[in-house]
Amino acid sequence: SAVISQKPSRDICQRGTSLTIQCQVDSQVTMMFWYRQQPGQSLTLIATANQGSEATYESGFVIDKFPISRPNLTFSTLTVSNMSPEDSSIYLCSASDRGTEAFFGQGTRLTVV
Amino acid sequence: AQTVTQSQPEMSVQEAETVTLSCTYDTSESDYYLFWYKQPPSRQMILVIRQEAYKQQNATENRFSVNFQKAAKSFSLKISDSQLGDAAMYFCAYRRNQFYFGTGTSLTVIP
Repeated sequence: SAVISQKPSRDICQRGTSLTIQCQVDSQVTMMFWYRQQPGQSLTLIATANQGSEATYESGFVIDKFPISRPNLTFSTLTVSNMSPEDSSIYLCSASDRGTEAFFGQGTRLTVV
Repeated sequence: AQTVTQSQPEMSVQEAETVTLSCTYDTSESDYYLFWYKQPPSRQMILVIRQEAYKQQNATENRFSVNFQKAAKSFSLKISDSQLGDAAMYFCAYRRNQFYFGTGTSLTVIP
């Protein structure tokens, strides 16, 4: 199993600013994912973070709004740029190897005011 | 695209009783993985149980077991001897390469 540390756990941000969320895994993993989750709802995949190359974004999510870095096999960041109240949500980091379950961070609750 | 359907938005169970959560999925693949995750109010997603599609035997983890019907594309979760700590949102998930999650079932355990 993998232990994932995600921070910050919560933040309140002003509209128009940016927030970077960090995700640290205690072991090397092949795949890292970033999700968005509205309270009481399912997970929506934002992108797959690829080590050494650009992230793969899902429909409706663009790099300019959600830039992602993955400098190595244990660390990734997601930035929420030029935030608006519609970006208020829970953001989850996840890690997995091929053919295994996903492990999750504790999530970041973002409120944009 | 693969879809995962959980038709029960909310379920409740009496403490010590048994409850079954339903999940169906759509795929044309023959090799994939299925999971049940639990998400308590703390937001931490916790793996409950996993099933490999090539295995005919249903997975079991203590009080948790699944009924995997590959032809019917059904993957239900049975929780036996329900405990107060089982109260949470439960998500069914399908994996081929990336993960696809259902809409979740909110489980209430009544003392």
